[in-house]
Amino acid sequence: NAGVMQNPRHLVRRRGQEARLRCSPMKGHSHVYWYRQLPEEGLKFMVYLQKENIIDESGMPKERFSAEFPKEGPSILRIQQVVRGDSAAYFCASSLSTSDEQYFGPGTRLTVT
Amino acid sequence: GENVEQHPSTLSVQEGDSAVIKCTYSDSASNYFPWYKQELGKRPQLIIDIRSNVGEKKDQRIAVTLNKTAKHFSLHITETQPEDSAVYFCAASIGTGNQFYFGTGTSLTVIP
Repeated sequence: NAGVMQNPRHLVRRRGQEARLRCSPMKGHSHVYWYRQLPEEGLKFMVYLQKENIIDESGMPKERFSAEFPKEGPSILRIQQVVRGDSAAYFCASSLSTSDEQYFGPGTRLTVT
Repeated sequence: GENVEQHPSTLSVQEGDSAVIKCTYSDSASNYFPWYKQELGKRPQLIIDIRSNVGEKKDQRIAVTLNKTAKHFSLHITETQPEDSAVYFCAASIGTGNQFYFGTGTSLTVIP
């Protein structure tokens, strides 16, 4: 059973460009969470999605950030018009609908130049 | 919302000694408390968790204790080994389908 997959692992974008981060949950997991980790800091919740639905986006900035988890395919976190402050590691986690446990992907390290 | 505090931020121990990391939380509704280990450049890995209906849980050299009244929980690692060196994060959640609130992490160094 493959774990949570994320791609790309590293992404470099210039200021003003768009970043698209993908997350494929573990097989059988229908819940996806996105977290951001700034250098030498803890993980901060951004958004929680189930298939085709955003359940909680309270941690996601209102502007420039969006997330989706379509019926088919991976969950996508999209950052438009990136700024230097968006540079961070973005982790997704997945869980079963009946479980507390969240399993993390390897992360995407976004660098904005 | 929930606020999780974690101490210490850094911890150095001699190989074979014990390490203890402590966390407090603010929301009495939180009922699930996982601990994650993160090695440099790697993903957070779940190492142990505890639910609010128990006070202690042990898995080989790792144990977690929970005091619901005081709203604090602790990670205990015994007989530490160099490969235990990593950043450890505690977290709290009100349960299935809810976000985790993470502590700020403890960088543990085990000196051979």
